[in-house]
Amino acid sequence: QSALTQPASVSGSPGQSITISCTGTGRDVGAYDYVSWYQQHPGEAPKLMIYDVTYRPSGVSDRFSGSKSGNTASLTISGLQTEDEADYYCSSYTSGTPRYVFGTGTWVTVL
Amino acid sequence: EVQLLGSGGGLVQPGGSLRLSCAASGFTFSDYAMHWVRQAPGRGLEWVSTISGNGGSTYYADSVKGRFTISRDNSRSAVFLQMNSLTVEDTAIYYCAKDLLEGSESWGQGLLVTVSS
Repeated sequence: QSALTQPASVSGSPGQSITISCTGTGRDVGAYDYVSWYQQHPGEAPKLMIYDVTYRPSGVSDRFSGSKSGNTASLTISGLQTEDEADYYCSSYTSGTPRYVFGTGTWVTVL
Repeated sequence: EVQLLGSGGGLVQPGGSLRLSCAASGFTFSDYAMHWVRQAPGRGLEWVSTISGNGGSTYYADSVKGRFTISRDNSRSAVFLQMNSLTVEDTAIYYCAKDLLEGSESWGQGLLVTVSS
């Protein structure tokens, strides 16, 4: 089972919106609504930003939103801020083994 | 407040063994599956292993199957990862995490495991 496919990098200016894609298969992203998104700053543990495709944990800015269509999930960051510069990983539950699969990761640069 | 406190990382020679521990607090431990996720230097996140809440079911990534063993002690609210036959490819930061299924808000601080001669 390969990792979910994400673009290596995405950039935007402060205030702009960006979208990160996460492409899987019919065994993971396409099969379940158990898609999560994590933000990871260098040297830190991952932080949950989106779960169950579209839901935000308490305390996460509403500038972050998630969606899914077929085998591809997406994370949109609106009103981009300098503190949003980080790595972002999608994750999905999968059938069989492995039980979970992460995306390849996307580095977001705020220009 | 949920807390996950890991211990046991370190330097080990190829072919050696290491046991990671993760002590949990702030939630009913036995109600949740627990997971280990690792991140090699400069690389992405990789799921390693999962154990169900009662410990009756365990799952492993192909890359560690047969070498790593996940276990838990619900009386001590702790989860463990026994790692045997370590190779340089196992060098990574290892995180314990609570309940990945609907996204984990709780991760340990990360344990550096370095496999090197």
